[in-house]
Amino acid sequence: EADIYQTPRYLVIGTGKKITLECSQTMGHDKMYWYQQDPGMELHLIHYSYGVNSTEKGDLSSESTVSRIRTEHFPLTLESARPSHTSQYLCASSSRGGSYNEQFFGPGTRLTVL
Amino acid sequence: AQSVTQPDIHITVSEGASLELRCNYSYGATPYLFWYVQSPGQGLQLLLKYFSGDTLVQGIKGFEAEFKRSQSSFNLRKPSVHWSDAAEYFCAVVPDSSASKIIFGSGTRLSIRP
Repeated sequence: EADIYQTPRYLVIGTGKKITLECSQTMGHDKMYWYQQDPGMELHLIHYSYGVNSTEKGDLSSESTVSRIRTEHFPLTLESARPSHTSQYLCASSSRGGSYNEQFFGPGTRLTVL
Repeated sequence: AQSVTQPDIHITVSEGASLELRCNYSYGATPYLFWYVQSPGQGLQLLLKYFSGDTLVQGIKGFEAEFKRSQSSFNLRKPSVHWSDAAEYFCAVVPDSSASKIIFGSGTRLSIRP
């Protein structure tokens, strides 16, 4: 059973605030990902990491930043939230291996910026 | 352009009826193929995956999918749907073994008619 956690599950915040979305996994996975998903829409990869001290930007440009100081932890930060950042943010992880392994997803954080 | 296409945005079927959700991809090599399900407000859960071998794969919750190379398709099927199957379904592709990312389709929303 996958063990990947995201907090908070829901967040409503005012414009200009700094926020950090937490993501943790207890599976020892090397690879971790952040996706942004608008309601009823497809997922867009915004950040990924292949291991500690590795971070890369995804396909969709994002004003957020990420860090990977520990294997199990991959937080996403918005320095100054804006209404355009309102969306659902999904974290995922997968193991390193010879063949591609499935991504396990967290429950998501639904962010609303007023 | 390389892509994953789910041509049906929204499908409604009656409880107990059969279901087929379509997925087409446009990658040259045989990709790794996945179907994920997302219940409202939740993260994504893997239903099934295809890497190689038997082209008919069985998944959880009574779902199956068939890889057809000639049609570049990986359609999801279920012989008899239940009201709890109402959700968003995403087809996803890893283009080849060297690819670093998974590409998601735009999703198909499934509604169940009582």
